[in-house]
Order: sequence, then C-alpha cells, then structure tokens
Amino acid sequence: GENVEQHPSTLSVQEGDSAVIKCTYSDSASNYFPWYKQELGKGPQLIIDIRSNVGEKKDQRIAVTLNKTAKHFSLHITETQPEDSAVYFCAASPTSSASKIIFGSGTRLSIRP
Amino acid sequence: NAGVTQTPKFQVLKTGQSMTLQCAQDMNHEYMSWYRQDPGMGLRLIHYSVGAGITDQGEVPNGYNVSRSTTEDFPLRLLSAAPSQTSVYFCASSWTGAQTQYFGPGTRLLVL
Repeated sequence: GENVEQHPSTLSVQEGDSAVIKCTYSDSASNYFPWYKQELGKGPQLIIDIRSNVGEKKDQRIAVTLNKTAKHFSLHITETQPEDSAVYFCAASPTSSASKIIFGSGTRLSIRP
Repeated sequence: NAGVTQTPKFQVLKTGQSMTLQCAQDMNHEYMSWYRQDPGMGLRLIHYSVGAGITDQGEVPNGYNVSRSTTEDFPLRLLSAAPSQTSVYFCASSWTGAQTQYFGPGTRLLVL
C-alpha cells in the first residue's frame, strides 16, 4: 500500500522568510497530492492540491511542486506571516473512486516575529 | 450546512469498556473515513467507506469496527478500549478519496 513520508517534523522560520516542506510517496499509482493545514484544536483543512498532470501549482503565497519520476512533492510558503504557524500535512491517493488517501506524519511550522 | 459533525467532543473510558464515536455529514458525500492523530504520528487511517454498505480497512484497523448503513452516518466502535487507543479521532468526508476531505472537529478520547 501507499506510504507517505514527510520532512521536517518541525520547522521554525523568521517572519517574511520562505518555508519548504517535503514529502515522498511509494505508490506509483498515486496521482492526487493535497496539502492540509491544521490549527490548534481544529480539524485539518485543505490549502492546496496538485494532480499528476501538472508539475507546479500556485495560490498566492503558497505553491506546490511535484516530481513524479522521483515520487516527491513539496509545499512552498513565501513571505511567511504569523498566521502561517500551524501543523501541515501532505497526503497521496490514486484517483480511483474506491481508493483511500494516506497522510504524512505532519510538520509543525512556527513563524518567529 | 453543518458539514461534518462528531460526538462526543471528549470522552474518558476505563480499560475494557466499549463505546461508539458518532460521525455525520450533510453534504451527500460518498467517501467517509476515520483517522486517529497521535503526537509525531500524523493522521493514520483507521477505516474508510466509499459508499453506503461498503467499508474497508485502513492502516490501523485493529480494535475498531465500522458500519455504513446510510450515506450520512459512519460510526466508529471500540469494542474493548485499551490505553493505546488514547488519541484524538477525526472523521472526514468527501466525494471520493481523491478530492477535498472535510474534517470534523475531532473527539478526544482518554482510556485509563
């Protein structure tokens, strides 16, 4: 089955700097790669996703890149702000309607003022 | 729409007790799933369902049962609680596994 590894487990960056979180996956059939943000005491919420027919996707300060050959994908947050402090999860899934989605172990991002 | 609701918010059990964690969604989603979240372990999939009457095991199914008699509800049953099941449990729903997962607020479970 699918296995998703996520690094680093914790990340501290200065406000205004960029943050990068990386994930690798094992199942070559996976072609859907979302990223979720979890704020304290809440359930995770989708912030961006990418499918295997594209290599990069941007949404304002957030971007995700995908390298299917190497089976890894990354989340990039630019111009970080205090409200970016949270736990971030990557995930992977094949797009079959019967497929499950598997999450990485999470990255706790802290933004230093 | 209420989205995904979970009850209870917090529960304390003694070892060996049984209980059911409730999950309901009002978005007519076919796919529902249960996760447990432990420090440093991320979100681990317990069981999932791709539609009413269909369930399957995830990464950590032992000690848990599920059923899906309706599209809206997906209860998680602990048959005989163990301290290792102390965790925060999240229910999620979506159209398929490969689309946006909508998470509930979570149930914090403590097994003594």
